[in-house]
Amino acid sequence: GAVVSQHPSRVICKSGTSVKIECRSLDFQATTMFWYRQFPKQSLMLMATSNEGSKATYEQGVEKDKFLINHASLTLSTLTVTSAHPEDSSFYICSAHWSGTDTQYFGPGTRLTVL
Amino acid sequence: AQKITQTQPGMFVQEKEAVTLDCTYDTSDPSYGLFWYKQPSSGEMIFLIYQGSYDQQNATEGRYSLNFQKARKSANLVISASQLGDSAMYFCAMREGEDSSYKLIFGSGTRLLVRP
Repeated sequence: GAVVSQHPSRVICKSGTSVKIECRSLDFQATTMFWYRQFPKQSLMLMATSNEGSKATYEQGVEKDKFLINHASLTLSTLTVTSAHPEDSSFYICSAHWSGTDTQYFGPGTRLTVL
Repeated sequence: AQKITQTQPGMFVQEKEAVTLDCTYDTSDPSYGLFWYKQPSSGEMIFLIYQGSYDQQNATEGRYSLNFQKARKSANLVISASQLGDSAMYFCAMREGEDSSYKLIFGSGTRLLVRP
């Protein structure tokens, strides 16, 4: 149980375009989803916390207008990188949590390359 | 100040031997949770083990055990009988308090290489 999927797994786009990444909890209802960013050989950096039906809470230094998060249902959250630039190239990984557990379950990640 | 500290950037272990990955944490909250995750080269984060601050016994999950020393604020991961497939990055993480956001703070990670 506790499977989280992410789509796409890998995306290459041109500078200035927008990219949407989906995060789905497949076998449970996620009350909270988290979005992280990971640069090569570094740890995970939390970008935002997303609760179903409410606005995401962004961490300090994360531009909410650049990284749009939508959590429309208990099984789906999306991250849209708007007007992507090469410095946005990174590994984006989501996780999901439901009340009654302490554990976050992670998706497989999305590798974004902006040319 | 670092909330989660992993002082070993890289570790080697011989196959079939045990290895300990260090993690220390810093919090003034009496209620917290400690986690270990494994990240293979493919990138996914695999949950390994959890220890709650009020748990009396050290957590164990198969070959993984957590050496929880509350007074020293350490939560070391012990992997017994190492296998080649254990080669990966290992991250220690902490959830502070009873905050319903359940945010995790991650350490910098330790890269483990299992030698045949």
